[in-house]
Amino acid sequence: DIVMTQSPDSLAVSLGERATINCKSSQSVLHSSNNKNYLAWYQQKPGQPPRLLIFWASTRESGVPDRFSGSGSGTDFTLTISSLQAGDVAVYYCQQYYSSPWRFGQGTKVEIK
Amino acid sequence: QVHLVESGGGVVQPGRSLRLACAASGFTFSNHGMHWVRQAPGKRPERVAVISYDGNNKDYTDSVKGRFTISRDNSKNTLYLQMNSLRAEDTAVYYCARDQIRVILGLFDYWGRGTLVTVSS
Repeated sequence: DIVMTQSPDSLAVSLGERATINCKSSQSVLHSSNNKNYLAWYQQKPGQPPRLLIFWASTRESGVPDRFSGSGSGTDFTLTISSLQAGDVAVYYCQQYYSSPWRFGQGTKVEIK
Repeated sequence: QVHLVESGGGVVQPGRSLRLACAASGFTFSNHGMHWVRQAPGKRPERVAVISYDGNNKDYTDSVKGRFTISRDNSKNTLYLQMNSLRAEDTAVYYCARDQIRVILGLFDYWGRGTLVTVSS
């Protein structure tokens, strides 16, 4: 099984500042057949289901603001919120869909400083 | 727009059974693989079961194999999860989630709001 590990577990960022979340997989999620990274990012606000933000490591889902961006390849990935808004307070999860079981990271809680 | 509504959760004693349902609307249900994903309080989501668009392929996480059964009725746009021999560790919010494409990818692009299952004596 591929294990997903995020860092940090939590972070506090001032409004308008950048937030950076890291995700590391225990093995590469880059598929050689199509050169795509099978890595997604989700946002979960309290009392709500997760919401898909980013897939293929860097493709924004429709309707997701462009202040959210994903980068990385192989085993190391980053979610960046370029200018934190109050509505971005949430837990963020990375998830690999390279191979079943499609595990999530432990989550990173983003708060306002 | 895409709408997924779960039902059937509740409080149940260990060893008993429960059947969850997920009513889908706003998209062609028979064109997508579907998943059940659960989330225990304060924990990360965990994919429990998946079923292909036509119901012919199914897969389960190891901890529920032999106890849970996923099924679908494409004529009713409904997904099901039959849960038998329930254990305390099955306590979680159970979400119905759509796979992004027809072939099972493991990418969950829409989620329902979930139904809470509590296993307790």
